Amino acid sequence: DAKTTQPPSMDCAEGRAANLPCNHSTISGNEYVYWYRQIHSQGPQYIIHGLKNNETNEMASLIITEDRKSSTLILPHATLRDTAVYYCIVRVAGSGTYKYIFGTGTRLKVLA
Amino acid sequence: DARVTQTPRHKVTEMGQEVTMRCQPILGHNTVFWYRQTMMQGLELLAYFRNRAPLDDSGMPKDRFSAEMPDATLATLKIQPSEPRDSAVYFCASLASGGTNEQFFGPGTRLTVL
Repeated sequence: DAKTTQPPSMDCAEGRAANLPCNHSTISGNEYVYWYRQIHSQGPQYIIHGLKNNETNEMASLIITEDRKSSTLILPHATLRDTAVYYCIVRVAGSGTYKYIFGTGTRLKVLA
Repeated sequence: DARVTQTPRHKVTEMGQEVTMRCQPILGHNTVFWYRQTMMQGLELLAYFRNRAPLDDSGMPKDRFSAEMPDATLATLKIQPSEPRDSAVYFCASLASGGTNEQFFGPGTRLTVL
């Protein structure tokens, strides 16, 4: 069962910040939120992850609400190359390791 | 530049034929995942291995699919016999123990069963 819900699509102007929301209201206390993106039909690519604190790296920022029921991925200055499907994922305990539960993703189109 | 590799990249076959897809994880990564992606179902986890041992294959149709890791550098996903509904892109991903728990995905095998 999917543990995340995302809007199916979003547009963003080039150079502006892209804010991609994700709802994960059933997340458990020790489950991390991961974000990946998929460009065309390439394999998904890691962006960032977090548990409860906000996180930032060279690609993006991740803002997680205090109740952890939702998060937002922020691409600070979107470029045309950021056009992709963005997946918000909950990492759950599996058999002997952790596994990802992928949602349906948000198709982000960056407009010139 | 360490990457997950998958072969073949594209495969077209006829219904009833056997299909074998191969994945070479990043050297030193001890956990391998197989996913299937279709327009209708999105990304589905089929099976995963750690240290070559299968941990969970509950996402895989057991009657026709099988997954193995003959050695630490090769994972295989086999479909026998193949059916048109198996048409999809199959991804493998590898994971190192410890660290950020980031899965590294391969480029995928696009399978078309006629």
